[in-house]
Amino acid sequence: DIQMTQSPSSLSASVGDRVTITCQASQDISNYLNWYQQKPGKAPKLLIYDASNLETGVPSRFSGSGSGTDFTFTISSLQPEDIATYYCQQYDNLPFFGGGTKVEIK
Amino acid sequence: QLQLQESGPGLVKPSETLSLTCTVSGGSISSSSYYWGWIRQPPGKGLEWIGSIYYSGSTYYNPSLKSRVTISVDTSKNQFSLKLSSVTAADTAVYYCARLRPPTHPFDYWGQGTLVTVSS
Repeated sequence: DIQMTQSPSSLSASVGDRVTITCQASQDISNYLNWYQQKPGKAPKLLIYDASNLETGVPSRFSGSGSGTDFTFTISSLQPEDIATYYCQQYDNLPFFGGGTKVEIK
Repeated sequence: QLQLQESGPGLVKPSETLSLTCTVSGGSISSSSYYWGWIRQPPGKGLEWIGSIYYSGSTYYNPSLKSRVTISVDTSKNQFSLKLSSVTAADTAVYYCARLRPPTHPFDYWGQGTLVTVSS
């Protein structure tokens, strides 16, 4: 099975800061990488699919990049409503999630 | 607007079988484009994919759970179901059903989730 290493596990940033989360796959997964936001008590919400495509209705401050084994998720300007846990998810025959990154406001 | 809703017992005894159903509304589960899946999240922990099914009945499971999991589909009721056998306290979690969108299989629609507690 492909292992996903997501980092950091948590971060604290100020409103307006640029926030970056990374996900590394144990082997090449092309662009088969998706990103989710989960707020407490809620189901995850798809933000980015195919590594870099913004899901319909998702604010443009969210973006993703990468291919192969190394992927990056970015919030260009952190907003108070972005406080959540973010997960990457790969698909290489089977879908698996990264461990998550909890984003807090400093 | 597609909606998914999980249903089933919130309390299951150890060694018994956990059974949940996901009812899909606003769209057909028989659509040839999509897979349907189950994901769980133990309290305070991350997301774990359990398994997925196509409307034709073909399934694929998380290898770590495969020996205990059965996922089935009932197209006449627009539902798919999860059975997890021989449960222990470690299976206590919020269980979500979701739709997977090919080819990169993002989970694009989710149910609200249902908490299942394993306890005697």
